[in-house]
Amino acid sequence: EDKVVQSPLSLVVHEGDTVTLNCSYEVTNFRSLLWYKQEKKAPTFLFMLTSSGIEKKSGRLSSILDKKELFSILNITATQTGDSAVYLCAVYNTDKLIFGTGTRLQVFP
Amino acid sequence: KAGVTQTPRYLIKTRGQQVTLSCSPISGHRSVSWYQQTPGQGLQFLFEYFSETQRNKGNFPGRFSGRQFSNSRSEMNVSTLELGDSALYLCASSPGSGISSGNTIYFGEGSWLTVV
Repeated sequence: EDKVVQSPLSLVVHEGDTVTLNCSYEVTNFRSLLWYKQEKKAPTFLFMLTSSGIEKKSGRLSSILDKKELFSILNITATQTGDSAVYLCAVYNTDKLIFGTGTRLQVFP
Repeated sequence: KAGVTQTPRYLIKTRGQQVTLSCSPISGHRSVSWYQQTPGQGLQFLFEYFSETQRNKGNFPGRFSGRQFSNSRSEMNVSTLELGDSALYLCASSPGSGISSGNTIYFGEGSWLTVV
């Protein structure tokens, strides 16, 4: 059965810390991996990764995919309270998006 | 550009009733997909529509159905509601021919359904 597993489930840090969120997957017919940020509303798109080893960056956020080891990481440097959210990883095969259960990040001042 | 719009935002239904949720995609997007989000199961794929045709369907019972209109707006219907159907229902739209063509999806804010 296709599955996407995120770790840790929950993370509490202080402003300024750097965090690494993990996403591993076992999915047939892998096409792409996506990261979303969800606060108390719609998930917002962060990154789409299709190729191994190519880092994508957006400000303090970056992500990379390893298709050999079947995982991706999302890094957030110099965290801010506004980064507090649930971070969702999803893998697209040829049929659908399969989501992990998310990592809840809380950033305290 | 307006985002994905879902209505109603909140609703309460009783067991056995049916419900219809509506989704207007981002202008120009023709691919619409639906997801159910619950605390226990996370986000789960319901179905995807493109050009009024259902392309894929998730592992949900036949009580869950949907359709897409010629203007790309979509509706999903849940009949004979059960307590376990209480969830946030998210609609997402995608440009081009959807995520299968390498396009990402953009979510609406969802419809919160409570079944009592």
